Amino acid sequence: DIQMTQSPSSLSASVGDRVTIPCRASQSISSHLTWYQQKPGKAPKLLIYAASTLQRGVPSRFSGSGSGTDFTLTISSLQSEDFATYFCQQSYSTPHTFGGGTKVEIK
Amino acid sequence: QVQLQQSGPGLVKPSQTLSLTCAISGDSVSSNIVAWNWIRQSPSRGLEWLGRTYYLLSEWYNDYAPSVRGRIMINPDTSENQFSLQLSSVTPEDTAIYYCARWVHGTTVTPGYFQDWGLGTLVTVSS
Repeated sequence: DIQMTQSPSSLSASVGDRVTIPCRASQSISSHLTWYQQKPGKAPKLLIYAASTLQRGVPSRFSGSGSGTDFTLTISSLQSEDFATYFCQQSYSTPHTFGGGTKVEIK
Repeated sequence: QVQLQQSGPGLVKPSQTLSLTCAISGDSVSSNIVAWNWIRQSPSRGLEWLGRTYYLLSEWYNDYAPSVRGRIMINPDTSENQFSLQLSSVTPEDTAIYYCARWVHGTTVTPGYFQDWGLGTLVTVSS
């Protein structure tokens, strides 16, 4: 199975900050990387697929980059509604695996 | 707009079978461009993909995660436009929030992704 690692598991930031969230795969997954946002008590929500393609309706302050084993989700200017947990997931092979998540908290 | 409505018991006894159903609106379980998945989430195991069913070239296929293979069945129900999860011989380690999710197949250029999710069902395994 491909292991997905997200570190740190949490970070503190303020509204307006630029935030970067890393994700690493245990082997090359090309651009087969998806990002989800999850708020408490809710299902994950699709943000970005194919490493850098923004899902329709997602604000443009979200962006994704990377290929191979190292990926980054960037929020250019953090808004109050962005405080949540962010997960990466590889779609290169089954079983599809998820990272442990990075929780973005209010500083 | 696709909506997934989950149903099933929230409490299952150890050694019994967990059964959940996911009713689909806005798409067909027999669509050739998607797959229908079950994913669970717990504090100890995080988000864990369990398996999927999908229809391709007039045949049904299933894939299951090694961690649950042998205990899991995911079946489509074309008459009701839904799909189901059965997980047998459950233990307290199977306690989790279970989600159904719609996977959009990739192309030669774009990989697939989980586009739509159900609201989740908390299933507790306890006597």
